[in-house]
Amino acid sequence: AQSVTQPDIHITVSEGASLELRCNYSYGATPYLFWYVQSPGQGLQLLLKYFSGDTLVQGIKGFEAEFKRSQSSFNLRKPSVHWSDAAEYFCAVVGNKLTFGGGTRVLVKP
Amino acid sequence: EAQVTQNPRYLITVTGKKLTVTCSQNMNHEYMSWYRQDPGLGLRQIYYSMNVEVTDKGDVPEGYKVSRKEKRNFPLILESPSPNQTSLYFCASSPPGTVHRYTFGSGTRLTVV
Repeated sequence: AQSVTQPDIHITVSEGASLELRCNYSYGATPYLFWYVQSPGQGLQLLLKYFSGDTLVQGIKGFEAEFKRSQSSFNLRKPSVHWSDAAEYFCAVVGNKLTFGGGTRVLVKP
Repeated sequence: EAQVTQNPRYLITVTGKKLTVTCSQNMNHEYMSWYRQDPGLGLRQIYYSMNVEVTDKGDVPEGYKVSRKEKRNFPLILESPSPNQTSLYFCASSPPGTVHRYTFGSGTRLTVV
């Protein structure tokens, strides 16, 4: 069965600092991987996705993610965080269905 | 505008009082799904529908019903809501064979007291 683990429930970063959110997945074949963001009181917005090809994927809002098959990981990064990046972030994998991780809530300190 | 519309956005109800959360999409998508979001658990699939009159259980179907009489609508029915169904609910749709092209609704925050 496919699964996604986001080890960090909460992360606090200072504005302007870099951010990395961890995601580990379990799936028997080549996965489709996603990162979604949910701002307070909002729905889900797709940040980026990986299907195949280049393992470094660029997304919206300055985010990128790197697929590492050997580590079963798909970590999300942003070089310089803005206050508007405070949100909850979900990693997801598609095998026979879309399965989400538990989410990481990001707090941004001024 | 292509979208998935859920109603209501917020709902407070009492235990045992039947309710329906509506979901409608205007993209002619065949696949529709309901998720619930709970802290620390992410989004878990409740039910999904591959097409009209075709529905199946997801990971957490207990206490829920769905119907798919028309392609555009996929209501979620709670026949006898209980407090453990207090959650944030999302409807989503996608074209056939493309789960990765999900469009999500804005969510329905349900509180059962």
